[in-house]
Amino acid sequence: NAGVMQNPRHLVRRRGQEARLRCSPMKGHSHVYWYRQLPEEGLKFMVYLQKENIIDESGMPKERFSAEFPKEGPSILRIQQVVRGDSAAYFCASSPSGDGNTQYFGPGTRLTVL
Amino acid sequence: AQSVTQLDSQVPVFEEAPVELRCNYSSSVSVYLFWYVQYPNQGLQLLLKYLSGSTLVKGINGFEAEFNKSQTSFHLRKPSVHISDTAEYFCAVSSDSGGSNYKLTFGKGTLLTVNP
Repeated sequence: NAGVMQNPRHLVRRRGQEARLRCSPMKGHSHVYWYRQLPEEGLKFMVYLQKENIIDESGMPKERFSAEFPKEGPSILRIQQVVRGDSAAYFCASSPSGDGNTQYFGPGTRLTVL
Repeated sequence: AQSVTQLDSQVPVFEEAPVELRCNYSSSVSVYLFWYVQYPNQGLQLLLKYLSGSTLVKGINGFEAEFNKSQTSFHLRKPSVHISDTAEYFCAVSSDSGGSNYKLTFGKGTLLTVNP
């Protein structure tokens, strides 16, 4: 059973470009969570999605960031017009229905903004 | 709001020595507590978790942790470490109120390095 998959593992963007980070949850998991780890910081919750629904986006920056989890395909975290402060590791986790206490994490995507 | 403090950013130990990684938290409500491990180039893997019941929690790979409510601590211990335990360890907390137990708050991590 494959774990949570994230791609790309490393992403380099120039200021003003768009970044798209993908997350494929574990098989049978319909709940996805995104976290961001800034340098020298712990992981911070960004957003919680179920298939086709955003459940909680209280940790998402108000502008430029969006997330989706379509009926088919991976969850996407999209960052428009990236700035240097967006450089971080972005982790995705998934869980079986309703059990937020058991989250399985992917290896993360390390975004570098030049 | 909750917060987690991991008191040591790096802990070097020799193989077969005991180790304790410290974690303190703050929260105004009851919490769930977790330890995750991250090996190089891999995702975070759950080591153990405390939800309720016995305050001594046993996890995978011989690790255990003890929930101490009065000291708001959840320290991770292993009596004898191996080279393969070299990794980064994260303590995390979530709240059991308000239906948002999925929202984990993490510490900054402790890098455990086991030397031969």
